[in-house]
Amino acid sequence: KNEVEQSPQNLTAQEGEFITINCSYSVGISALHWLQQHPGGGIVSLFMLSSGKKKHGRLIATINIQEKHSSLHITASHPRDSAVYICAALGGSNYKLTFGKGTLLTVNP
Amino acid sequence: NAGVTQTPKFRVLKTGQSMTLLCAQDMNHEYMYWYRQDPGMGLRLIHYSVGEGTTAKGEVPDGYNVSRLKKQNFLLGLESAAPSQTSVYFCASRQQGGAEAFFGQGTRLTVV
Repeated sequence: KNEVEQSPQNLTAQEGEFITINCSYSVGISALHWLQQHPGGGIVSLFMLSSGKKKHGRLIATINIQEKHSSLHITASHPRDSAVYICAALGGSNYKLTFGKGTLLTVNP
Repeated sequence: NAGVTQTPKFRVLKTGQSMTLLCAQDMNHEYMYWYRQDPGMGLRLIHYSVGEGTTAKGEVPDGYNVSRLKKQNFLLGLESAAPSQTSVYFCASRQQGGAEAFFGQGTRLTVV
């Protein structure tokens, strides 16, 4: 069983919809990382957070350490947001990242 | 500032051939990692390094070796390639503490 679970695995939305992707982890962590990967492309860091909430443009990430849960929200989604979104937990030892399997988001115009 | 650079970007190998993937970072990061990404499996850690001259095994180290002779470079070697090593390989680096990771563009390797 993967220590980091993402849901849903696949998500299809219409342009303009509000998107939520969830990440749960079963290990103690020091921080959680949200990443984006476009088809056939590289991996880009979106957020690294250890508490509360962070916002960047239309993207918002939240984390609840007690519940071992994080969410990534996209407001006013756009077709260019179509990508795989990956969460990764940074372990208590502070050097290893454990990855979820990713959520494939497709935003239709 | 190039960030993390991987070479090559694509490669086709015959079974039994050897090759080295190079990862270079110009951010003076302490930690460097090699991952492989396979469909339905997510990113899996092959080997990692917490500083120059040190390396350690990750989840799937068999069939791979690594070296970190210089802080900025992390090399991944395949001594005798097998079809099971067909994958996309990503290198990443990060600073100590809770810092975010920076990824290379990936190397698509096919072993026939």
